[in-house]
Amino acid sequence: DAKTTQPPSMDCAEGRAANLPCNHSTISGNEYVYWYRQIHSQGPQYIIHGLKNNETNEMASLIITEDRKSSTLILPHATLRDTAVYYCIVRVTGNQFYFGTGTSLTVIP
Amino acid sequence: EAEVAQSPRYKITEKSQAVAFWCDPISGHATLYWYRQILGQGPELLVQFQDESVVDDSQLPKDRFSAERLKGVDSTLKIQPAELGDSAMYLCASSFGQGETQYFGPGTRLLVL
Repeated sequence: DAKTTQPPSMDCAEGRAANLPCNHSTISGNEYVYWYRQIHSQGPQYIIHGLKNNETNEMASLIITEDRKSSTLILPHATLRDTAVYYCIVRVTGNQFYFGTGTSLTVIP
Repeated sequence: EAEVAQSPRYKITEKSQAVAFWCDPISGHATLYWYRQILGQGPELLVQFQDESVVDDSQLPKDRFSAERLKGVDSTLKIQPAELGDSAMYLCASSFGQGETQYFGPGTRLLVL
């Protein structure tokens, strides 16, 4: 499975969009991009995943570049409750999830 | 919304004692996972079950850790004897099948003194 690179930390003003980047330059054609988040002392929470096309659900949007070497998770209107560690994972279906250290997002009032 | 249940939420034990953690996956989920998360790091897979069978336990320290899912539903992870380095969050996750999206429980935070 491809490795991912994420910035260790980011800040975002409350009410603004939070854009969390992820580099996965060695991704192969059958690897999905998954995003999870972990609020302090809780289990990871599934956010969204995609293969090639951009995806949107009630929580977030996932933008995958055309060459699939990077992606961005967008939280359209960040709230204080979005403060968490966000993990970007690439995975071949059937293979394991490998979590890195993620991006610690702090939403500032 | 269905959730993965874990108990206990917190456990404090002394080294050399035995500890056990329980997980009840989302109903209908055939695949169950146990992860360990050390403070400041991402979760790492310990063992994966498909129904009652172990699919992957390559990262499970088998000299002291054991896991079972006898009826293919709930699961127990045991440590005997516990060591100081076992202090961590133990997370259970489940998915409808192998390769499907995983849903995590709240975790059990273990402190070994």
